[in-house]
Amino acid sequence: DTGVSQNPRHKITKRGQNVTFRCDPISEHNRLYWYRQTLGQGPEFLTYFQNEAQLEKSRLLSDRFSAERPKGSFSTLEIQRTEQGDSAMYLCASSLKPAGEQFFGPGTRLTVL
Amino acid sequence: SQQGEEDPQALSIQEGENATMNCSYKTSINNLQWYRQNSGRGLVHLILIRSNEREKHSGRLRVTLDTSKKSSSLLITASRAADTASYFCATDAGNSGGSNYKLTFGKGTLLTVNP
Repeated sequence: DTGVSQNPRHKITKRGQNVTFRCDPISEHNRLYWYRQTLGQGPEFLTYFQNEAQLEKSRLLSDRFSAERPKGSFSTLEIQRTEQGDSAMYLCASSLKPAGEQFFGPGTRLTVL
Repeated sequence: SQQGEEDPQALSIQEGENATMNCSYKTSINNLQWYRQNSGRGLVHLILIRSNEREKHSGRLRVTLDTSKKSSSLLITASRAADTASYFCATDAGNSGGSNYKLTFGKGTLLTVNP
């Protein structure tokens, strides 16, 4: 499978715990985006990487959130001290061209109890 | 914040009928993309239309773009039960103001195609 993959697919955690998600983009894609989607809403942008550089962060990304893309390949999104409001689907997308299609992974559904 | 707004919010039709969904947006765009999402799953890219294009076709899909009205429509012809999903439009403002080609989505249209 040469599409975008995300792990885990589901994560249930207790409030206050830390969680980390992983995204593996399509191999030749140097652009990687993270989005968050809550029930009944469209995805909202969180952060963007071009190669290993994090070039943009949304105001939605509080200081409890951190994202990395070491070596410009896979990316991780960590949420520290999770809150119930963090419950959402976290989606990763990658693209090859600056104004091209973004291809999405299946998402990680986070439930914070 | 959501830029696009899809209309209607929900649409129920019979198999074989055509389905039309509309999207309006607020700021100038580089391109507009339509995605499909089956319940609780990731988004599948359907079609991309650039700001200098007015119409695009892909199989049973037809997308139009009117930049003067800041609106787009997605037409699915001869719908099938398997088309049941949520459909989202997403705008890409290009790299103006450092937006880095990120997508801004609407809330989506839930399409139900009854067999």
